Amino acid sequence: DTAVSQTPKYLVTQMGNDKSIKCEQNLGHDTMYWYKQDSKKFLKIMFSYNNKELIINETVPNRFSPKSPDKAHLNLHINSLELGDSAVYFCASSQNRGGEKLFFGSGTQLSVL
Amino acid sequence: KNEVEQSPQNLTAQEGEFITINCSYSVGISALHWLQQHPGGGIVSLFMLSSGKKKHGRLIATINIQEKHSSLHITASHPRDSAVYICAPNFGNEKLTFGTGTRLTIIP
Repeated sequence: DTAVSQTPKYLVTQMGNDKSIKCEQNLGHDTMYWYKQDSKKFLKIMFSYNNKELIINETVPNRFSPKSPDKAHLNLHINSLELGDSAVYFCASSQNRGGEKLFFGSGTQLSVL
Repeated sequence: KNEVEQSPQNLTAQEGEFITINCSYSVGISALHWLQQHPGGGIVSLFMLSSGKKKHGRLIATINIQEKHSSLHITASHPRDSAVYICAPNFGNEKLTFGTGTRLTIIP
């Protein structure tokens, strides 16, 4: 009965491949996020969606494309994976875009070989 | 420029000690979050505050808007409190800016 669930938990792949990470929240929240945590454990926002509408798009390469089919889902598709994409990716949600408390998924550790 | 500084970077203490983690930021904010990242990697939101003080169990978070400073306190610390604690101010642009975290280790 996880509030924010993301899959897979681990993803190991070769350079140049295309991969997706899925995220679903069952909290009825309007806003969802993708964060990247690099090897130094530094967290940074990538994208934010509110009711399926993109509201934050940080300086992320356009190989990264978020997709929100409905407000409960925010998937992350990554094309042409590079070594530097190796990181832990966290999905999160909040009630709305007003800076409310965040609920995080358990993270996806992506390793690009 | 929106900047966040946390101190200390690392903190080791004996079980039962009172813990304080500090967070300073450069410009005005709309709110500030405190997060806890467990050794297994999961992240939990502890507090979101925009003024004053909040308490949850043995955890207390305070913020001084004028001084642009927030603190997280843990009373009667326990080994299970060992984690990385991250402050994240919202500089009013709907994006959180994350501090580099404080790694806390509580020794039994």
